[in-house]
Amino acid sequence: SQQGEEDPQALSIQEGENATMNCSYKTSINNLQWYRQNSGRGLVHLILIRSNEREKHSGRLRVTLDTSKKSSSLLITASRAADTASYFCATSNNAGNMLTFGGGTRLMVKP
Amino acid sequence: DGGITQSPKYLFRKEGQNVTLSCEQNLNHDAMYWYRQDPGQGLRLIYYSQIVNDFQKGDIAEGYSVSREKKESFPLTVTSAQKNPTAFYLCASSTGSFQPQHFGDGTRLSIL
Repeated sequence: SQQGEEDPQALSIQEGENATMNCSYKTSINNLQWYRQNSGRGLVHLILIRSNEREKHSGRLRVTLDTSKKSSSLLITASRAADTASYFCATSNNAGNMLTFGGGTRLMVKP
Repeated sequence: DGGITQSPKYLFRKEGQNVTLSCEQNLNHDAMYWYRQDPGQGLRLIYYSQIVNDFQKGDIAEGYSVSREKKESFPLTVTSAQKNPTAFYLCASSTGSFQPQHFGDGTRLSIL
């Protein structure tokens, strides 16, 4: 079974709007990572947040982590058509040697 | 430029045939991984290797085999025992435990 589950499964917005994706997980984690995948391509790492961090920023990306609720969110501000992609959360097990991915959120940004 | 190269981009397998997917990295990463992705789904771990000459099964290793004879290379063989091999296969590498993974652009395997 997958550790992380993203919500919503699909999201369609207009360019310039903000996009928020959520991820829930089941067991304790060392860190949580977000990745982007363009259609037919490999994944690209976006941001890593450790279990003792609550919020992290990178450019137009903002990630929050709530370990008490076992959830994380990814906010993309001022979205662009180029942000159209699938976004996955992944959690690292305590040994750090395995990532478990959720099913992803498919984001479409309309120009 | 450093990166991960997967080949071929598309691969077709006949029934009862073994096929090998190539993954090469020049990032000097110790750890390498193989994932399977089905349409509209997330990634599932097949095998991983943290060091040369050592590898471990992931969540869905049945019907697959790997080797890690060189740091740069981590080929995946899809054997005839894998009854549903049609999928997108992704190779990744990282500097080690707890670190972000870098991905290749995948191999799409189909059955003839």
